[in-house]
Parts: sequence; C-alpha cells; structure tokens
Amino acid sequence: QKEVEQDPGPLSVPEGAIVSLNCTYSNSAFQYFMWYRQYSRKGPELLMYTYSSGNKEDGRFTAQVDKSSKYISLFIRDSQPSDSATYLCAMGGGTGNQFYFGTGTSLTVIP
Amino acid sequence: DTEVTQTPKHLVMGMTNKKSLKCEQHMGHRAMYWYKQKAKKPPELMFVYSYEKLSINESVPSRFSPECPNSSLLNLHLHALQPEDSALYLCASTPRLPGRETQYFGPGTRLLVL
Repeated sequence: QKEVEQDPGPLSVPEGAIVSLNCTYSNSAFQYFMWYRQYSRKGPELLMYTYSSGNKEDGRFTAQVDKSSKYISLFIRDSQPSDSATYLCAMGGGTGNQFYFGTGTSLTVIP
Repeated sequence: DTEVTQTPKHLVMGMTNKKSLKCEQHMGHRAMYWYKQKAKKPPELMFVYSYEKLSINESVPSRFSPECPNSSLLNLHLHALQPEDSALYLCASTPRLPGRETQYFGPGTRLLVL
C-alpha cells in the first residue's frame, strides 16, 4: 500500500467553480501536511501548510486535515484560469526522515 | 524570505561531461534535499542532508555525488550521466529536522543529457 494516495485526475472545471482536491494516507504518525502548486516545468510552490488536525484558510484556499480518517483536502474557491496547474499533497512526521508525496492532481480551469 | 535558489536553470550535457548543480538558501534551514522529477510524476527523493551530514541516500547511482559545503549551500556533482537522467532536479529545505515542518522548493534545474 502506498503511503499517500491522490487521484491524478485530470480535473477540468469552469471558471468560478469550487474545486476540491483530496489525499488519503496510511501512516497515522504523519503530523505535517502540505499542498503544493506546480506549473509545467517549474518547481513546486508551497500553498498551504497544516500541523496536525484542523482547518486553515488563506484567501481563496482552505486546507483541511482529518487525522481520524487519514484524509486531507484542499478547497479552491472562485477558481481562476491561473489556478490551472498540478497540485501535490505532501506529508511528513513519520519515522522516516523524509516527506511522502501524492502523485499530483492535474487541474484545468476553463475561462 | 522563503526562497531557495538553484543554478543553472537549464543544463545540457553530454554523457562524458562533468557538471555541478548548485542550491542556496538563507533561511537558516538545517535540512536540505535533492529530488529528481520526471514529467507528470511527483518528486523522487535522492539525498537528504541534516546539519550538513548526509542523512539519506536513496540508492542513487554513484554518477550523482552530493556535497554540502555549509549550512546554506548544497551541490550535486554530475559525471557520466545517461540520457534517462534527463529530468527536473529540485532542491528543497526545511527548518530543522528532515521530514518535519514546512518544506520549501527551489525552481529547479532542467537537465538534458545527450
């Protein structure tokens, strides 16, 4: 079983839609949860960081962590064409000294 | 400032060349990472340095040789690479311990091996 599972998509939505991106994980020791946005041929850009459980909001982005279900989500409100990118979830805090990544979800926002 | 810089942005090299990738951060972070990323795949961990000591080497071929001269700098020395090594090479850092807290990535070096 993979440490982190993420639906690769692709996901295509109209401009202004609410987008929901999700990851599930198997290691209950994970405490650090991140979402990255990656444009084609660029490095991943940190969007949201959450420690342990709960919600975090930053502008149009909301990150949720449900440790009991081993499930994290990223919501994008009022999606824009500039949000078209691949979104990667990542998590750490297990026994290994590394982060574990989802496969990435490709999102296209259609004007 | 949450910036990790990488040079060069692009690199083309032949299979007999020797080249180096450079990564720098001035956030005072003590864990630094090299990743390799192929198209439409997540980053794949290569090396982790913790407090300037090699912490993880993910069975990477010896034609890749990392170096951490000080807490701000990370190099990746390349020699006798193969065409399948063509990829985006990413550097990242975290404040203290590897696999903990927030990880910041650099923009990457796009490497093409001919």
